[in-house]
Amino acid sequence: EAEVAQSPRYKITEKSQAVAFWCDPISGHATLYWYRQILGQGPELLVQFQDESVVDDSQLPKDRFSAERLKGVDSTLKIQPAELGDSAMYLCASSFSENTEAFFGQGTRLTVV
Amino acid sequence: AQTVTQSQPEMSVQEAETVTLSCTYDTSENNYYLFWYKQPPSRQMILVIRQEAYKQQNATENRFSVNFQKAAKSFSLKISDSQLGDTAMYFCAFMKLAGTASKLTFGTGTRLQVTL
Repeated sequence: EAEVAQSPRYKITEKSQAVAFWCDPISGHATLYWYRQILGQGPELLVQFQDESVVDDSQLPKDRFSAERLKGVDSTLKIQPAELGDSAMYLCASSFSENTEAFFGQGTRLTVV
Repeated sequence: AQTVTQSQPEMSVQEAETVTLSCTYDTSENNYYLFWYKQPPSRQMILVIRQEAYKQQNATENRFSVNFQKAAKSFSLKISDSQLGDTAMYFCAFMKLAGTASKLTFGTGTRLQVTL
């Protein structure tokens, strides 16, 4: 069964360091999302791609976060520099197109120390 | 902007019993989808059930059904014949149908524990 792949599963990094997460969506899915889920809360959208284009990054803290999906397939989310408040689960999801069911990966749990 | 509210942080139900999880939302949109997602411990979020706002009939998926009240902006999930494997966080989510910007807006979740 096709799944959204994310790596790493867990990441511990020191404050002020750079960290990157990778996501490989289900083959053929044009829409890719990055969500952040703080413990005890629901996921919140950071960025949405349609193919290689960003369609919504209004909640992405652009001073420290960046995201790319250069070939419209896999995607990387980067944080530089990391802050203590960035500790959270980072979820990637993909869908065949906008307005269709989103499938989630297992997430990357980030701890900033 | 849309908001989704889940007022039950935790719930418990005995195996084989029925439980209902509540969700309310606020929107000025007329065309949208509503979802219930399940997030088991240390596992990925999976879709449980979906409801299109234009449909009056409540969605059902095996033991899972919803009570969609559009005028009241209410969208509850009923789990019948609860099983131990239903133990998870349950998130209610809203998606407006507005071109390419189709993000999900989630509630804060309800932690469901199914007990023997």
